[in-house]
Amino acid sequence: DQQVKQNSPSLSVQEGRISILNCDYTNSMFDYFLWYKKYPAEGPTFLISISSIKDKNEDGRFTVFLNKSAKHLSLHIVPSQPGDSAVYFCAASDRDDKIIFGKGTRLHILP
Amino acid sequence: DTGVSQDPRHKITKRGQNVTFRCDPISEHNRLYWYRQTLGQGPEFLTYFQNEAQLEKSRLLSDRFSAERPKGSFSTLEIQRTEQGDSAMYLCAREGRMGGYTFGSGTRLTVV
Repeated sequence: DQQVKQNSPSLSVQEGRISILNCDYTNSMFDYFLWYKKYPAEGPTFLISISSIKDKNEDGRFTVFLNKSAKHLSLHIVPSQPGDSAVYFCAASDRDDKIIFGKGTRLHILP
Repeated sequence: DTGVSQDPRHKITKRGQNVTFRCDPISEHNRLYWYRQTLGQGPEFLTYFQNEAQLEKSRLLSDRFSAERPKGSFSTLEIQRTEQGDSAMYLCAREGRMGGYTFGSGTRLTVV
């Protein structure tokens, strides 16, 4: 039973355009939502998070939106750059602070 | 430098052998987590420690797996009688910022 779902295994976006990565979750008790970025042969790197009491958080080119009624969040990257090509994991933490990850979306930034 | 050191980076072992991985958070942190990632999957929780105490173990952690954190600083994860299904990247993490974790670079295990 997957509590965090990323339904798009991959996404290709032109350099300079907006990348939108989507994520759905099932557990309404999650209190933090996070995005991680992962390059091959490295551990995941924390990108941005959002508390369940907010609906938007912005950090530079990265913005995360949370829609609690739809149990949906998204990560917007604008403008997309070649170094953004990586696997992006959506994740959520429960009240025990244990983080549960989705399966990831591979983002390709095209020149 | 991620702030979490994992050793070794890569390990190839024959089926049936025992392996041990080590995780060193660079600074003192109460909580330390172990995750496993296989191809096409996100990291999956294995276990975590609050200081020396192992507080939770996933059902993924069979009785062939054991983890310790003897002094509340570094941690080890041992797999006995390895199987091909144990091939994965094993990730260690400490508490990070804004509700997240800081992960190490992982240990890539290949069981042949």
